[in-house]
Amino acid sequence: EVQLVESVGGLVQPGGSLRLSCAASGFTFSDYAMSWVRQAPGKGLEWVSGISGNGQNTYYADSVKGRFTISRDNSKNTLFLQMNSLRAEDTAVYYCARNSGLVAYWGQGTLVTVSS
Amino acid sequence: EIVLTQSPGTLSLSPGERGTLSCRASQSVSSNYLAWYQQKPGQAPRLLIYGASRRATGIPDRFSGSGSGTDFTLTISRLEPEDFALYFCQQYVSPPNTFGQGTKLEIK
Repeated sequence: EVQLVESVGGLVQPGGSLRLSCAASGFTFSDYAMSWVRQAPGKGLEWVSGISGNGQNTYYADSVKGRFTISRDNSKNTLFLQMNSLRAEDTAVYYCARNSGLVAYWGQGTLVTVSS
Repeated sequence: EIVLTQSPGTLSLSPGERGTLSCRASQSVSSNYLAWYQQKPGQAPRLLIYGASRRATGIPDRFSGSGSGTDFTLTISRLEPEDFALYFCQQYVSPPNTFGQGTKLEIK
C-alpha cells in the first residue's frame, strides 16, 4: 500500500524558515518523481514544486522560486521541502504527492501557518 | 504557464440530476494531459479522470471526462449524495502543472 506521511508543520513568523519532510513507503521511491502541492485555507490547489526520481531535475512555481528548495534522499525514501523567507501568503496545507504531474497518491497534508 | 479556468464556480443540483463541469485552458493541452480531481472537506484530493477521459482505478462509471485542445468537461451522469464536493482540473503537460480554481458542487 502506498503511503505518504508528511511531517508536522507549524507556526512560523514572517521571514522565517521551515523544513517539511515526507516519508514514503509501499513503492520503489527512486522510480518516481515527487512533488509538493499546497492549498491555502478555503482556496484551490497550487502546485508548488517537483523533483525527478534521481533528484537531478527540480521545478518550482514562480511564487516560491528562489525561496523554496525541494530535495530527496532515496536511501531513506524521504522527500523534503526547505522553505525560507516565508510570507503570510505561504500559509496553507502542504501535500506531498507521488509524481510531479498527474497525482494518484497524496499525503494527508500538513498545515503551515505564517504569522506573527 | 497554462492557465485553467473552471466554470461555473458553484453548481447547485439535486441528487439524481446530471452535473456538467467545464475547464478551459489558455493554450492547447497537448496529448490531452488533463486530469480531474474530487476533494471533500478535510481530505486530500482524489484522482477521478486522467488523459482527459480515462477513469482512474475504482472510479464509478457515472463519472466521465471529455474534450481536447483547450476545452474539457467532467460529467457526472446521476449525482449521488457523496458526489457533492469540490472538483479541480489540472494540466500535467509540463511544470508548472497548474490547477483550475475549482468548482463547488452543492446540493440544491
